[in-house]
Amino acid sequence: DVKVTQSSRYLVKRTGEKVFLECVQDMDHENMFWYRQDPGLGLRLIYFSYDVKMKEKGDIPEGYSVSREKKERFSLILESASTNQTSMYLCASRNLMSNQPQHFGDGTRLSIL
Amino acid sequence: DAKTTQPNSMESNEEEPVHLPCNHSTISGTDYIHWYRQLPSQGPEYVIHGLTSNVNNRMASLAIAEDRKSSTLILHRATLRDAAVYYCILRDITPPHYSGAGSYQLTFGKGTKLSVIP
Repeated sequence: DVKVTQSSRYLVKRTGEKVFLECVQDMDHENMFWYRQDPGLGLRLIYFSYDVKMKEKGDIPEGYSVSREKKERFSLILESASTNQTSMYLCASRNLMSNQPQHFGDGTRLSIL
Repeated sequence: DAKTTQPNSMESNEEEPVHLPCNHSTISGTDYIHWYRQLPSQGPEYVIHGLTSNVNNRMASLAIAEDRKSSTLILHRATLRDAAVYYCILRDITPPHYSGAGSYQLTFGKGTKLSVIP
């Protein structure tokens, strides 16, 4: 089974802090994603990486950056956390082949105080 | 992505089969039918996908109508752990080379909230 592991289930940080969310997948998938999920807004894509060191902005990249130095790891960085970044953050990965599904981690519920 | 229509909610008794319907009348020939589910306070979980033929895996079965305008996710024996929101989505076959973040992004509708009664 595919395993996507996010470093924390719950995280509380303060406004202005730099926050790192880590995601690791064990299936050698080329594609990795960071989404946030908010009530009434559904899933929104923050960043996408189609391979190592490659990244593409999603719909809402402002205030975030990403890093993909190794194939299995995709990090999301909140440069200076703000209260409107309080959300559920979801990491996903998928195989490059065209019809393959995305596999998600359990999510990190991040609260910015 | 082409649109899908699902009932807002369904109920099932524990250990009974559940048939979750999905209508997708505007499906194109290159659209795969994917099902995901999301348990409370967890990330979405891939369940199953198919193109034309019925599909089975350890979690569920997917029955696809002959004209592909509808499909049904079948849970053979519902358990309390199956209580979740189930999403049916269509995914076009994207070319193997990279074609932009938007082509890979998942968009879920409201889905069907399945309640399982002990």
